Amino acid sequence: DSGVTQTPKHLITATGQRVTLRCSPRSGDLSVYWYQQSLDQGLQFLIQYYNGEERAKGNILERFSAQQFPDLHSELNLSSLELGDSALYFCASSVVPGYEQYFGPGTRLTVT
Amino acid sequence: TQLLEQSPQFLSIQEGENLTVYCNSSSVFSSLQWYRQEPGEGPVLLVTVVTGGEVKKLKRLTFQFGDARKDSSLHITAAQPGDTGLYLCAGGWNNNDMRFGAGTRLTVKP
Repeated sequence: DSGVTQTPKHLITATGQRVTLRCSPRSGDLSVYWYQQSLDQGLQFLIQYYNGEERAKGNILERFSAQQFPDLHSELNLSSLELGDSALYFCASSVVPGYEQYFGPGTRLTVT
Repeated sequence: TQLLEQSPQFLSIQEGENLTVYCNSSSVFSSLQWYRQEPGEGPVLLVTVVTGGEVKKLKRLTFQFGDARKDSSLHITAAQPGDTGLYLCAGGWNNNDMRFGAGTRLTVKP
């Protein structure tokens, strides 16, 4: 158990819909990262937050947005969903940016 | 643009064999981590190396950081089916950025 929690574990929804994925970092970690992993692919970095502020952006689509709240939990919002958005979405946290990342169990999103 | 290159991309071996996978970059790392990911689960941190030339051992796994801190290797001795998974390296730079390689997918057959 890494100490990072993600909900929900599984999510099935239809094209065009909007979903919200939630992540709680390890106690004491200030930085949160979001990754997308399609079937049998590597990790695609989406976005990073540090102490409530956006710090870095990767290959995140305009239909996706995220935020980190004052209690340091983070949410990833995915809208106008397409079949290609089906993937595992991982959240990771670290004490500060650039330090070791600890991953949550992931949310498996299926868009039908 | 992938800043870290991992090789090989795929590796399939028999139980008991030894193997080495590599992580390379043209940039100098301030630190480097290795992770293992099993299907459907999140990556799990195996080790962090920070000093050029550093060698760390974790049971049958040996991790080495290059002298120039631009490359790293992971050697597994007497591989077992339980070693099957995706091995990811992640490099940190002095600006506190960290990026993952695409990974080496290892299959160890009984």
